[in-house]
Amino acid sequence: NAGVTQTPKFQVLKTGQSMTLQCAQDMNHNSMYWYRQDPGMGLRLIYYSASEGTTDKGEVPNGYNVSRLNKREFSLRLESAAPSQTSVYFCASSEWRGGEQYFGPGTRLTVT
Amino acid sequence: RKEVEQDPGPFNVPEGATVAFNCTYSNSASQSFFWYRQDCRKEPKLLMSVYSSGNEDGRFTAQLNRASQYISLLIRDSKLSDSATYLCVVSSGGSNYKLTFGKGTLLTVNP
Repeated sequence: NAGVTQTPKFQVLKTGQSMTLQCAQDMNHNSMYWYRQDPGMGLRLIYYSASEGTTDKGEVPNGYNVSRLNKREFSLRLESAAPSQTSVYFCASSEWRGGEQYFGPGTRLTVT
Repeated sequence: RKEVEQDPGPFNVPEGATVAFNCTYSNSASQSFFWYRQDCRKEPKLLMSVYSSGNEDGRFTAQLNRASQYISLLIRDSKLSDSATYLCVVSSGGSNYKLTFGKGTLLTVNP
């Protein structure tokens, strides 16, 4: 099993460009999450999906949208990238909301 | 009080030492507690879930004190491979679900 996979691993965007970060899990987990990690700030939850068909805002949702495409896949979209969105983005999944989470390898995004 | 607060570190210890990390949380309604480790430029990986009675996994022991809103992680007989950042994580349930990560404590185990 691959666990949680994310694409791309690295990305550089110009201000105003858009992109979608992809995440997939093969553990048959119900819940999926998107986080960003910035130096000195720790991990912060952007959006989560407690189960297929539902999405909810986390701590820092502004500037992002998500889609829970099916049980396996949960994508994060930046419609108009800003330098403040330069960060490392992690996707995670858990069997149920609040359970033990398993993380993907991350996407390192730079917005210039 | 911050939602989840950890020892700021960093901790530098020799191989074989015992080291303890502390974490406090502010939300008394918190329901689930975890310790993760994160290696440099890698993703967080679950180390242990923390149960009310405390739990042990080999050299690692986690304790939860709900009355004091305090979680701890003890590492005995430290190995070089234990060098990492240790993250305390607290989950609150109900309709206002929230999972809060501490900022982490960096541990370096020296030969």
